[in-house]
Amino acid sequence: QQQVKQSPQSLIVQKGGISIINCAYENTAFDYFPWYQQFPGKGPALLIAIRPDVSEKKEGRFTISFNKSAKQFSLHIMDSQPGDSATYFCAASMYGSARQLTFGSGTQLTVLP
Amino acid sequence: EAGVAQSPRYKIIEKRQSVAFWCNPISGHATLYWYQQILGQGPKLLIQFQNNGVVDDSQLPKDRFSAERLKGVDSTLKIQPAKLEDSAVYLCASSSGQVMNTGELFFGEGSRLTVL
Repeated sequence: QQQVKQSPQSLIVQKGGISIINCAYENTAFDYFPWYQQFPGKGPALLIAIRPDVSEKKEGRFTISFNKSAKQFSLHIMDSQPGDSATYFCAASMYGSARQLTFGSGTQLTVLP
Repeated sequence: EAGVAQSPRYKIIEKRQSVAFWCNPISGHATLYWYQQILGQGPKLLIQFQNNGVVDDSQLPKDRFSAERLKGVDSTLKIQPAKLEDSAVYLCASSSGQVMNTGELFFGEGSRLTVL
């Protein structure tokens, strides 16, 4: 019930391409879905987040698409750049749980120059 | 604004030895978390504090792990005795803890533990 399943485990795209990472959840009580970006040797940092009352949120080249009925959400990185090469984690939390985040297993993105 | 500070950054110990990690959260952040991140996996919550009280320690292996946040500011995570499977990065995070907040966690750079 608390799991967040993430795919793919690794992703290689060419510079300028679109990177897509998918996540699925089971617990319908989740009401906050962030994506975190982690560079080697650093802690995760919030990239973008969405709540289930909207189906899409865009910030610059990063877009979250949310499908409440399917219990799935995805991160789209448009015009991918080598500087986007990092590990991306989806996560979920619920109100009343003191905002504990349950993380996916991560996707290692490599953007080739 | 200073971020979350953690030390040491790296630690190598033999199994059955003890180790302690320190975390200083962002000033004013009431909520502090310790996460364990095993190589190739997502962070897993070990313990959550609200001020100096424990909110959730259900996933903390209490036979060997302990954590405290005595004055509601910095925190220490201790492992004694360490096992090989404790090799991981220990991440400290903090948040403002406000009821209607965004839920954003601010992470430190982590303490990498290698148990030989």
